[in-house]
Amino acid sequence: GAGVSQTPSNKVTEKGKYVELRCDPISGHTALYWYRQSLGQGPEFLIYFQGTGAADDSGLPNDRFFAVRPEGSVSTLKIQRTERGDSAVYLCASSFDRDSEAFFGQGTRLTVV
Amino acid sequence: DAKTTQPNSMESNEEEPVHLPCNHSTISGTDYIHWYRQLPSQGPEYVIHGLTSNVNNRMASLAIAEDRKSSTLILHRATLRDAAVYYCILRDEGRGSNYKLTFGKGTLLTVNP
Repeated sequence: GAGVSQTPSNKVTEKGKYVELRCDPISGHTALYWYRQSLGQGPEFLIYFQGTGAADDSGLPNDRFFAVRPEGSVSTLKIQRTERGDSAVYLCASSFDRDSEAFFGQGTRLTVV
Repeated sequence: DAKTTQPNSMESNEEEPVHLPCNHSTISGTDYIHWYRQLPSQGPEYVIHGLTSNVNNRMASLAIAEDRKSSTLILHRATLRDAAVYYCILRDEGRGSNYKLTFGKGTLLTVNP
């Protein structure tokens, strides 16, 4: 379909390992967002891209988290030295521009063991 | 950011109307009221939004109190597919960070057959 695609859908990794989570936004959407959702909670904002640049990364919890969007389309969320507390569903969303409704992907469920 | 208050859970019967309340007593003049819902194992999806007047679309209706301190999302005939967590969110269109959605815990709607 033409929705937001996230891969993988599930990722299990060992504590201390590095992981990359990928997001393919809807074609033509200039704005892209990452959110994180813990069990029983609503999604929490992590970072917002306008085009290739991170316009707001104030939600990233610490410097182990980093995200890129080099060509203004696909984005990758990178987590170094994973911890058990990083276990959550990571959601990506895109919108035509910052004022338009956001379309979310199905998320990547990350489990750190 | 202005906050919203929603009941933790509600129950409805299939094919009956559902009224989901949201209180936002500290709403500002530039806050738009947005509703998203999250089906099981899915990312959130946009439902409807409004500023002052009641709004209708193919999914639902939004009734906004005259003082704007509360609103109600109306599903006219609930189906089993409407079982989801419903989030009421305020977006301040007068601020530069209006792209950031602040989710609470939402209302878990159960639809009985």
